[in-house]
Amino acid sequence: AQSVTQLGSHVSVSEGALVLLRCNYSSSVPPYLFWYVQYPNQGLQLLLKYTSAATLVKGINGFEAEFKKSETSFHLTKPSAHMSDAAEYFCAVGYTGTASKLTFGTGTRLQVTL
Amino acid sequence: DAEITQSPRHKITETGRQVTLACHQTWNHNNMFWYRQDLGHGLRLIHYSYGVHDTNKGEVSDGYSVSRSNTEDLPLTLESAASSQTSVYFCASSYDHTTDTQYFGPGTRLTVL
Repeated sequence: AQSVTQLGSHVSVSEGALVLLRCNYSSSVPPYLFWYVQYPNQGLQLLLKYTSAATLVKGINGFEAEFKKSETSFHLTKPSAHMSDAAEYFCAVGYTGTASKLTFGTGTRLQVTL
Repeated sequence: DAEITQSPRHKITETGRQVTLACHQTWNHNNMFWYRQDLGHGLRLIHYSYGVHDTNKGEVSDGYSVSRSNTEDLPLTLESAASSQTSVYFCASSYDHTTDTQYFGPGTRLTVL
């Protein structure tokens, strides 16, 4: 069964520091991978997605993620954190044949401090 | 602009009552999904639909039902609400393929007393 693990339920960084949110997936077939962001009291919105094209994917708000098959990882990074990045981030995985179903990780709450 | 809406946004009900949460999308998407969000569990899939009159169970479907009579709507019904169903519920839709983005509604916070 497909699954995704997000290491660290809470991550705290200083404003201007590097943001690194970790996501590992389990797969026996090529996955599609997504990062979604949830701001307080809102629904989820797509940050970026990997669909088997370029392994380095750029998303909105300066975020990017790199698909590493050898490490079964899809970590989310941003060079310089901004206060407005404080939110909860979800990694999700889907596969051809599961017809649009996604499996979500448990989420990582990002705190940005001054 | 196309959107996906949920109503009500907040609901308090009593154990044993039937509750229906509405989800309406104007994207003309084929696929619709219901998730619940709980601390420590992330989002878990309750039910999903690939088109009119199609419904499928997700990983946590017990106690919930859905029906799809048109493209735009996928109401979620709790047949007999239980305290364990206190949660935040999200509806989402996508066009077709797995790689298509799922668009989420704003959520419904349900409290079962």
